[in-house]
Amino acid sequence: QVQLQESGPGLVKPSETLSLTCTVSGGSISSYYWSWIRQPPGKGLEWIGYIYYSGSTNYNPSLKSRVTISVDTSKNQFSLKLSSVTAADTAVYYCAREHNYYDSSGYKQNWYFDLWGRGTLVTVSS
Amino acid sequence: QSVLTQPPSVSGAPGQRVTISCTGSSSNIGAGYDVHWYQHLPGTAPKLLIYGNSNRPSGVPDRFSGSKSGTSASLAITGLQAEDEADYYCQSYDGSLSGSIFGGGTKLTVL
Repeated sequence: QVQLQESGPGLVKPSETLSLTCTVSGGSISSYYWSWIRQPPGKGLEWIGYIYYSGSTNYNPSLKSRVTISVDTSKNQFSLKLSSVTAADTAVYYCAREHNYYDSSGYKQNWYFDLWGRGTLVTVSS
Repeated sequence: QSVLTQPPSVSGAPGQRVTISCTGSSSNIGAGYDVHWYQHLPGTAPKLLIYGNSNRPSGVPDRFSGSKSGTSASLAITGLQAEDEADYYCQSYDGSLSGSIFGGGTKLTVL
């Protein structure tokens, strides 16, 4: 069965770049959308963005200026870079597989996450 | 502050039925976008519980059901069990944001 595993530094200094990688095992990264989602301590989930296996991306407008998501199909991995981090970026970061489908009218495209990693805590502190 | 509004907590005794509401707006649920639900136990991977308002993935018990009306959606859990104690999140798509949005989460306590 397909599993996702996040990896990367657990501590990042303010103003530096947060870098995480998600490894997909038990299946191919091809033909799917792959996302990053985060949860600050005591708060709700926030979608960061997604990448299609072909490389096209879509980011949350509130983070767009600082986010880059990339994919390496040869390694079955995709990655997140978040620049100029502050304490507000401290969160558990999850990677997930995202599905999309059109409603019966064929007009509205819906999205949901069918597989998630266990998450990794990243703390921004000097 | 989350775009979708959920009650912070709900509780029920074993065997009882509880519902969790999820309220959105005219740019997401009210615009016709579907609602999806996740169960999350801290320290584990969130689990898809309901997709497309009312569909259960394989392996999810039929004690869990979802519905949607207008700008709101609901998750119902019948025959509560101790193992259902977890955080539950709703999620939809927002046409103004052009991306996915979540509720703030609801902590279910089984008394």
